Amino acid sequence: GDSVTQMEGPVTLSEEAFLTINCTYTATGYPSLFWYVQYPGEGLQLLLKATKADDKGSNKGFEATYRKETTSFHLEKGSVQVSDSAVYFCALSLPDGQNFVFGPGTRLSVLP
Amino acid sequence: SQTIHQWPATLVQPVGSPLSLECTVEGTSNPNLYWYRQAAGRGLQLLFYSVGIGQISSEVPQNLSASRPQDRQFILSSKKLLLSDSGFYLCAWSSGTNRPEQFFGPGTRLTVL
Repeated sequence: GDSVTQMEGPVTLSEEAFLTINCTYTATGYPSLFWYVQYPGEGLQLLLKATKADDKGSNKGFEATYRKETTSFHLEKGSVQVSDSAVYFCALSLPDGQNFVFGPGTRLSVLP
Repeated sequence: SQTIHQWPATLVQPVGSPLSLECTVEGTSNPNLYWYRQAAGRGLQLLFYSVGIGQISSEVPQNLSASRPQDRQFILSSKKLLLSDSGFYLCAWSSGTNRPEQFFGPGTRLTVL
């Protein structure tokens, strides 16, 4: 079946370090791919998305590129801040527009 | 612009009591609606989704139920809560194939004692 796999963490980094959170997927057809961020006690916020192969989504210094050949959508940021501490979820949406699959989430802690 | 509301924000209920959580969406019509549960420190579990009024699909068997009495209203209910129902309940909406991303409400923190 369709699934999303991501490193579960926790990931602990120092401020200004480079961030990579790996995400790979298995899906039939051509899904859209997303990264969501969840701050403590809050709902999920859409961080970025990509809807077709080789698209790059970007927002707030975060980037991810839709790699069809490796079925991956890794999240990167060049210099993390303490305020980036949160849980990050990779997700896919199937072309039927109804089914959404989330990864297990990766907790990121950024230390000053 | 579209907004999604959930209430209450927090709830503490005794075991065996009933439950009603409400979610409403503004600024869009005929959305797909979703209920998720998130246990402490865990990922998201899809409970129910709805593509229209009165149309509910259940993803997991449980003592919870969902209803969609109006186009932009989605209600999660239980007749008798269990301890295992504690968690963070999230409602989400999407517009379907043209714009596949889901948008989430602020969540309801439910504690069953």
